[in-house]
Amino acid sequence: DIQMTQSPSTLSASVGDRVTITCRASQSISSWLAWYQQKPGKAPDLLIYQASSLESGVPSRFSGSGSGTEFTLTISSLQPDDFATYYCQQYNTYGTFGQGTKVEIK
Amino acid sequence: QVQLVESGGGVVQPGRSLTLSCAASGFTFSGYTMHWVRQAPGKGLEWVAVISYDGSNKNYADSVKGRFTISRDSSKNTLYLQMNSLRAEDTAVYYCARDPRLYSSSWYFQHWGQGTLVTVSS
Repeated sequence: DIQMTQSPSTLSASVGDRVTITCRASQSISSWLAWYQQKPGKAPDLLIYQASSLESGVPSRFSGSGSGTEFTLTISSLQPDDFATYYCQQYNTYGTFGQGTKVEIK
Repeated sequence: QVQLVESGGGVVQPGRSLTLSCAASGFTFSGYTMHWVRQAPGKGLEWVAVISYDGSNKNYADSVKGRFTISRDSSKNTLYLQMNSLRAEDTAVYYCARDPRLYSSSWYFQHWGQGTLVTVSS
């Protein structure tokens, strides 16, 4: 089974900060990686697919990069609506999620 | 617009059964692969099961294999999850989710329902 490891688990940041979340796969997944945002009590929302493709309607301050085993999600300028938990998910073989990164207000 | 509405959750005793439903609208249900994903309270996301657009292929997470059955009824635009031999560790919010591409399986989740809570407790 492919394991996904996100870091950090929690991130404290301020509005306007540049934020980067890392996701590592236990084996190569090419570019078969998605990122989701989840707010408390809500279903996740798709942000990025195929490692770097922005889902329609997602603000351009979100970007994704990487291939193989190491991937990043970057928020270029953190906005109040971005405080949430973020999950990566590999879909090279079935679908495995990372454990999540909570972005909280500093 | 795409809408997925889960129902059927509730409190159930260990060892008992429960069936979840997901009513789909706003898209051609028979053309899309569908998934169940769950989230235990305060925990992360776990993929549970998938069924292909035509119902011919099904796969399950090891944690539910042999106990859960995914199915679909395209005449009713509804996805199901039959859950048998329920355990305390099956307690979670269960989401149905739609694959992004027509007549294909991409295994990421473009649209999600609001979820239904299943609590397994005596």
